[in-house]
Amino acid sequence: AAGVIQSPRHLIKEKRETATLKCYPIPRHDTVYWYQQGPGQDPQFLISFYEKMQSDKGSIPDRFSAQQFSDYHSELNMSSLELGDSALYFCASSLGQGIGYTFGSGTRLTVV
Amino acid sequence: GENVEQHPSTLSVQEGDSAVIKCTYSDSASNYFPWYKQELGKGPQLIIDIRSNVGEKKDQRIAVTLNKTAKHFSLHITETQPEDSAVYFCAASNNNNDMRFGAGTRLTVKP
Repeated sequence: AAGVIQSPRHLIKEKRETATLKCYPIPRHDTVYWYQQGPGQDPQFLISFYEKMQSDKGSIPDRFSAQQFSDYHSELNMSSLELGDSALYFCASSLGQGIGYTFGSGTRLTVV
Repeated sequence: GENVEQHPSTLSVQEGDSAVIKCTYSDSASNYFPWYKQELGKGPQLIIDIRSNVGEKKDQRIAVTLNKTAKHFSLHITETQPEDSAVYFCAASNNNNDMRFGAGTRLTVKP
C-alpha cells in the first residue's frame, strides 16, 4: 500500500541557509500535518493543512512557512536555519477527520 | 491546549512478561487516543487507537484502556517479545486537527 513519502531523507545545511522539505500524502488523503522531533524527544506539532488551507498551527517558528498544493502535497520552507533546527521532521496525512492517520519516514535535517 | 504526560520514560521487562505504559491528558474535549511505536530511524507507526466512546480495545497482544473521567489511558502489551523493543508514544487529539504526544517510553524486552 502507498505510504506517506517525504523527501529528502537526509539534508545537511549551514547556518542561515534555507531548506525545503516535501511531503506527499497517501493518495486521496486531504490533510497533512508537520512535526518536528528533536533527539530523544516526542514529535512536536508544527502546522497542518486541510484541503490546501491551513487548519491548525502549533509551535512553528516564524522563520518557517508551509503550504499545501493542488495535488495535496505539502512543502515546509525553513529559512535562516539555526543549529537548534537540527531534528527529524515528520509529515503525516489523513483523510478528513483523522481517518487513516499515517506518518512518513521523516527527513533528518542537520544544520552545521 | 492539550497536555499529555506519559510514564514511565523507560521500561525494561523480561521476554514473556507484560508491559504497561500510562498516559494522562488535560483537555476533556480530546476524543481520539492513538498509540505509536517508533523504531530507530523510522516514523511513528500506529499500533492501536481508541476513541472516547469506548473504554477498552484489544488487538492480539496489545490492549488499550481509557478512563475519560480520570482523563487517563494505558497501553498493555502481554507476552512481550524482543521485537516489541522500541519507543512508544501515546497521543491525544480533538477532532484530529493535530496530535499532542506524550514524551515517549523506551521499552526494552530482554530475551
